[in-house]
Amino acid sequence: DAGVIQSPRHEVTEMGQEVTLRCKPISGHNSLFWYRQTMMRGLELLIYFNNNVPIDDSGMPEDRFSAKMPNASFSTLKIQPSEPRDSAVYFCASSPTGGYSPLHFGNGTRLTVT
Amino acid sequence: KQEVTQIPAALSVPEGENLVLNCSFTDSAIYNLQWFRQDPGKGLTSLLLIQSSQREQTSGRLNASLDKSSGRSTLYIAASQPGDSATYLCAQGGSEKLVFGKGTKLTVNP
Repeated sequence: DAGVIQSPRHEVTEMGQEVTLRCKPISGHNSLFWYRQTMMRGLELLIYFNNNVPIDDSGMPEDRFSAKMPNASFSTLKIQPSEPRDSAVYFCASSPTGGYSPLHFGNGTRLTVT
Repeated sequence: KQEVTQIPAALSVPEGENLVLNCSFTDSAIYNLQWFRQDPGKGLTSLLLIQSSQREQTSGRLNASLDKSSGRSTLYIAASQPGDSATYLCAQGGSEKLVFGKGTKLTVNP
């Protein structure tokens, strides 16, 4: 079990550029979550999927953010255009049955927008 | 709105001490309470999950309790070690998703 794999680990980009974060969940896990972590706000849920279908995207800050899960083994979080206030660590997590079972987190992508 | 609060934000103890981390939540319709550990630059690692029907869970030197009526959970760490230094987060499972506290940063001094 390789765990949840996120790429890239670090991303530095200029304001206005498009950013794409990637996640490979643990095989067999039906739920996938995208979180954002900042010092001020802690961990915030952005969106979660169940069986590849977006269930709740109420945490997505605005239309600049979008997420997809084209199949059970891959998800992307895209920010277009990026802004300095998007700078944060973005985590992907997966679990067998949503919040009813332990979540397994990736090591995160540290995004810096200058 | 579900809210999870962890106090204190930071805690420093000498090695060998027993300690308790606190977590409070506002939603009585809780499905479970999960405790995680986060090391610097890393993701979160699940430590313990307490179902709403349970009172506590134990794993090694860790014991987590849940009191739904008071909206509180505690994580007890016995005989603390420097390797226990990390940030500990609790999360309330209300349905399919979790709401996290901001964590308690624990430092265990040799």
